[in-house]
Amino acid sequence: EVQLVESGGGLIQPGGSLRLSCAASGFNVSNNYMSWVRQAPGKGLEWVSVIYSGGTTYYADSVKGRFFISRDDSKNTLYLQMNSLRAEDTAVYYCARGVGEIDYWGQGALVTVSS
Amino acid sequence: QSALTQPASVSGSPGQSITISCTGTSSDVGSYNLVSWYQQHPGKAPKLMIYEGSKRPSGVSNRFSGSKSGNTASLTISGLQAEDEAEYYCCSYASTRIFYVFGTGTKVTVL
Repeated sequence: EVQLVESGGGLIQPGGSLRLSCAASGFNVSNNYMSWVRQAPGKGLEWVSVIYSGGTTYYADSVKGRFFISRDDSKNTLYLQMNSLRAEDTAVYYCARGVGEIDYWGQGALVTVSS
Repeated sequence: QSALTQPASVSGSPGQSITISCTGTSSDVGSYNLVSWYQQHPGKAPKLMIYEGSKRPSGVSNRFSGSKSGNTASLTISGLQAEDEAEYYCCSYASTRIFYVFGTGTKVTVL
């Protein structure tokens, strides 16, 4: 059974850093496109970042230069390092398999940026 | 890159058909046959309903269908059921720089 379990969310002050983790089971993250998608409270979905099976990464303009996606194949885990956090980064962050067509999603991790 | 435009809400009675539009530009929806549609119930993760414009993943009811004309993609739900009440989002590939963009979302209400 495919499962994605996020962790690492929480309350962080503006300008701070946080790392989200996404433990995958039932498939290998190394063989798939893996994405992060976020959803601000009461708002729509926003694609954040993707890492290809070959390791190439892409980012939305809103997070470019501040967020970094990576994975640890030995732990079958995806990460999102978030730096210089802003209030507008407050959202539920979903780990997802795929990019345009996402067939599996995690349960989401809430990140709240506030002083 | 702005979000794709969807109507805020669409409603219908059980058994009826409804269509949700997703309007983009010639740089995204109009240029690629890479539109997907997601269903999201409150407090839950999204669920893929349609990919590559009109393909249904295994397990998705054939009451859901997708199409595209020019810069506008559409999701049609036929034989509307109470369980279809949810938020629906479209998503399109936009370019190698922008990558993917979601729609503004449409709340479907079953009357």
